[in-house]
Amino acid sequence: DIVMTQSPDSLAVPLGERATINCKSSQSVLYSSDNRNYLGWYQQKPGQTPKLLIKWASARESGVPDRFSGSGSGTDFTLTISSLQAEDVAVYFCQQYYSPPMTFGQGTKVEIK
Amino acid sequence: QVQLQESGPGPVKPSETLSLTCTVSGYSIDTSYYGGWIRQPPGKGLEFIGRISHDGVTYYNPSLRGRVTISLGTSKVHFSLSLSSVTAADTAVYYCARQRPTGEYGRGYFDGWGQGTLVTVSS
Repeated sequence: DIVMTQSPDSLAVPLGERATINCKSSQSVLYSSDNRNYLGWYQQKPGQTPKLLIKWASARESGVPDRFSGSGSGTDFTLTISSLQAEDVAVYFCQQYYSPPMTFGQGTKVEIK
Repeated sequence: QVQLQESGPGPVKPSETLSLTCTVSGYSIDTSYYGGWIRQPPGKGLEFIGRISHDGVTYYNPSLRGRVTISLGTSKVHFSLSLSSVTAADTAVYYCARQRPTGEYGRGYFDGWGQGTLVTVSS
């Protein structure tokens, strides 16, 4: 199975500042035939269900604020919140859908400093 | 509006079978949207259980070693999860989710989730 490792496990960022979450896969999730990275990012607010933020490593889901952006390729990926808002307090997960079985990172908890 | 809702009988005893049903609204299982199950043990991360396609083709996480079955209702707005021989390690919040398939063998991302239901395995 592909192991997804996120860092850090948690971070506290002042309101309005940038938050950066990293996700590293144990093998590449870039599919050469279509040049797509098979990686998604999810947000899980306290007491709520996970929500898809980004698919294909960098394609923002409809309705997701543009302060959320995804980048990276191959084995190293980043989710950036450009200006942290109070409503962004959540746990964020990455998921690879390149190789079965699909696997998730352990999660990164984002809080307000 | 896309909605998914899990339902099930509640606590399960060790060695018994866990059964859950997902009812979807606002869409139906078709070539673009499959049905998936994911679980989250208390305080832990997410684990993919399996998925079912519009034509009943299933993929299961090998880690569940033949204990899992996912089935699709004829109306394609219900799909079910059955997990046999449960132990305390199967205690988790179980989510059903709408999957956008990206290939064979269960691959795809999840763009809609149910609220989740906590299933506790205890004698």
